[in-house]
Amino acid sequence: EAGVAQSPRYKIIEKRQSVAFWCNPISGHATLYWYQQILGQGPKLLIQFQNNGVVDDSQLPKDRFSAERLKGVDSTLKIQPAKLEDSAVYLCASSLDHISNTNTGELFFGEGSRLTVL
Amino acid sequence: QKEVEQNSGPLSVPEGAIASLNCTYSDRGSQSFFWYRQYSGKSPELIMFIYSNGDKEDGRFTAQLNKASQYVSLLIRDSQPSDSATYLCAVWGGSNYKLTFGKGTLLTVNP
Repeated sequence: EAGVAQSPRYKIIEKRQSVAFWCNPISGHATLYWYQQILGQGPKLLIQFQNNGVVDDSQLPKDRFSAERLKGVDSTLKIQPAKLEDSAVYLCASSLDHISNTNTGELFFGEGSRLTVL
Repeated sequence: QKEVEQNSGPLSVPEGAIASLNCTYSDRGSQSFFWYRQYSGKSPELIMFIYSNGDKEDGRFTAQLNKASQYVSLLIRDSQPSDSATYLCAVWGGSNYKLTFGKGTLLTVNP
């Protein structure tokens, strides 16, 4: 079974530039997550999708971050304009469903996209 | 109060010893509790999950859950240098079914 695919793996940009990350979840997984992990910290949830609808985006800095999952499959996360503090690894994860007796909350993570903002 | 708190670490143990990692959580409605291992530069990978009070064993790993005390722990027996990693406690459920991670505890197992 193919895992969660993310690209690019690495990106270096200057502040105030824009960047976009792409994620393709495991086939059949309804729920998709974007996490931000700053060095030395645990992953922080930015946004959670159920199919193509947003379940939680309470910690997404909406003045500069946006995310979409138009067809309920793959997703893009965009940052515009980037700030120095956005330097982090952006992790995409997926799970079967967020409202289901069969879903105990196990997430499957991609390899992450490492962003460096200079 | 932070939602998920872990002992700050770093934790250093000799090879063959028992490593004990602790985690507390604030949302009493939380339903499932996870331990992820993250090697440097890699993504988190699931080690164990637990959702009933008590102990759950898987090989050298034992997860312990006490919902009354809002406390989760992970014991690693016969620690190996390959266990050296950051261990992330994550809590699922509560008000909006999201997985919230702690900051992680860095474990080093010395040969």
